[in-house]
Amino acid sequence: DAGITQSPRHKVTETGTPVTLRCHQTENHRYMYWYRQDPGHGLRLIHYSYGVKDTDKGEVSDGYSVSRSKTEDFLLTLESATSSQTSVYFCAIGSGLQHNEQFFGPGTRLTVL
Amino acid sequence: GENVEQHPSTLSVQEGDSAVIKCTYSDSASNYFPWYKQELGKGPQLIIDIRSNVGEKKDQRIAVTLNKTAKHFSLHITETQPEDSAVYFCAASFGNEKLTFGTGTRLTIIP
Repeated sequence: DAGITQSPRHKVTETGTPVTLRCHQTENHRYMYWYRQDPGHGLRLIHYSYGVKDTDKGEVSDGYSVSRSKTEDFLLTLESATSSQTSVYFCAIGSGLQHNEQFFGPGTRLTVL
Repeated sequence: GENVEQHPSTLSVQEGDSAVIKCTYSDSASNYFPWYKQELGKGPQLIIDIRSNVGEKKDQRIAVTLNKTAKHFSLHITETQPEDSAVYFCAASFGNEKLTFGTGTRLTIIP
């Protein structure tokens, strides 16, 4: 599992509430990613980080923010959750020369009511 | 941006037969093509990958082929077993740190 943990593993919340998901890695990888997985869409990149305090947007970044204050932790925040953000969220680390050999965590299932 | 199409979306094969999943990509600069297997309730697992300077790669019962001219790559699983049942995703990267994923193939192995 490349030393990646995600917390919480399951969460149910209400529309309009803030939610923070945590990704923790133990192998000091520089690149970390947040994806969402929805039926019919595969995995879509939300945000990624290429170092402490260095982040960039992916293809579906609206409504999400991220922070990386230390190498091992990458946080995904939904400032005001909406039902369209109900999904399974996966964190990944990047490895290899181009950092595109990605290894995934176990996922967080988020339900927004 | 990069676009990756994956077919079929579902595939059922008899145990012992072969399974083939195909993906096409849009950006001719793509140079890295991994395949992931996802079991129910788990994260995707990297099972094999290929780079653009190689036409084929094998790992036991799994192989990946790449046709750069046609911009498509395929996953081949031979002598399928029940534990091969899962969702498989292809992806492509055009030389940077990001991957674009296909929409997945649900493979069912019929005993």
